[in-house]
Amino acid sequence: GAVVSQHPSWVICKSGTSVKIECRSLDFQATTMFWYRQFPKQSLMLMATSNEGSKATYEQGVEKDKFLINHASLTLSTLTVTSAHPEDSSFYICSGGTGRTYEQYFGPGTRLTVT
Amino acid sequence: GENVEQHPSTLSVQEGDSAVIKCTYSDSASNYFPWYKQELGKGPQLIIDIRSNVGEKKDQRIAVTLNKTAKHFSLHITETQPEDSAVYFCAASVGYGKLTFGQGTILTVHP
Repeated sequence: GAVVSQHPSWVICKSGTSVKIECRSLDFQATTMFWYRQFPKQSLMLMATSNEGSKATYEQGVEKDKFLINHASLTLSTLTVTSAHPEDSSFYICSGGTGRTYEQYFGPGTRLTVT
Repeated sequence: GENVEQHPSTLSVQEGDSAVIKCTYSDSASNYFPWYKQELGKGPQLIIDIRSNVGEKKDQRIAVTLNKTAKHFSLHITETQPEDSAVYFCAASVGYGKLTFGQGTILTVHP
């Protein structure tokens, strides 16, 4: 149980375009979803936390107008990278929490490459 | 905010040996400490976790110890196998809140 999927698993886009990444909790309701970014050979850095039906809370230094997060339902959150640039190329990982246990369930990640 | 330091950054062991990875945290309010294994190109996988009301937890070859006074926790892997080779991350959170990750440890188990 507690499976999280992400789509797409990898995406290549041109500089200046926008790309949307979906995160779905398949067998549980995620009251909270977290979005992380991971650069090569580095750790996971939290970008934002979102609760279903509420605006996301962004970490310091993360541009909320560039990284749009929507958590419209208890099973779906989306991250849209707007006006992508090569420096946005990274591995984006989401996780979901049930609010009943402390555990977060992680998705498999999405590799974004901006050319 | 919370700061988690993890050591060593790389660890190389022979198959069958034990491996120990250590983390320290700064926020005394943190009460949940998970450990993750991440393979190349994949998301992190929870391997064991511990809450602050417990000092030690074991699951087969994997154990975690927590010292709240010293604010450090450790991952112990016994009888290592080549398939244990991966990047391991510790993390800390206050309850249901956000996780702060350590820098990661690249574990290599040589056959």
